[in-house]
Amino acid sequence: EAGVVQSPRYKIIEKKQPVAFWCNPISGHNTLYWYRQNLGQGPELLIRYENEEAVDDSQLPKDRFSAERLKGVDSTLKIQPAELGDSAVYLCASSQRGGNTEAFFGQGTRLTVV
Amino acid sequence: QKEVEQNSGPLSVPEGAIASLNCTYSDRGSQSFFWYRQYSGKSPELIMFIYSNGDKEDGRFTAQLNKASQYVSLLIRDSQPSDSATYLCAVEGGKLIFGQGTELSVKP
Repeated sequence: EAGVVQSPRYKIIEKKQPVAFWCNPISGHNTLYWYRQNLGQGPELLIRYENEEAVDDSQLPKDRFSAERLKGVDSTLKIQPAELGDSAVYLCASSQRGGNTEAFFGQGTRLTVV
Repeated sequence: QKEVEQNSGPLSVPEGAIASLNCTYSDRGSQSFFWYRQYSGKSPELIMFIYSNGDKEDGRFTAQLNKASQYVSLLIRDSQPSDSATYLCAVEGGKLIFGQGTELSVKP
């Protein structure tokens, strides 16, 4: 069974440019998370989906970040415009259902904003 | 107060010793507790989960949960150099929240 797939693995962009990350969760997993992880820190939740519904986006900086999960499967996270402080690893994770089940992570996208 | 707190370390133990990693959480309604291991440059991988008070053992790993004290721990017996990594505590109470991680170094 394929795991959580993310692309791209690495991305370098100039500040003020847009960037998008893509995530394909494990088949059958209804819950999808986007996390941001800075060096030396734990993952910070940005948004959680249950199927196609964003049920928790309280930590998503909505002035520049947006996300979507069309048809409750793949998801895209976008930043526009990017700032230097957005440099981090963006992790996608999925689980079978919301709550009380383990989440599996993709390999992450390492974003560098210069 | 952070929702999930861990000692950032680094925690250094000799090979063969017991490593003890601790985590406290603030939400009393939390129901599920997870330990993830993260090697440098890699994504987190699940190593243990626990839902009920008490101990849960899996090989060299033992997770301990005390909901009254809002405390969860991970013990690694017979620590090996390959256990050197950052260990992340995660708590589920409607959303999965991570601590900042504890860096473990096992010295040969």
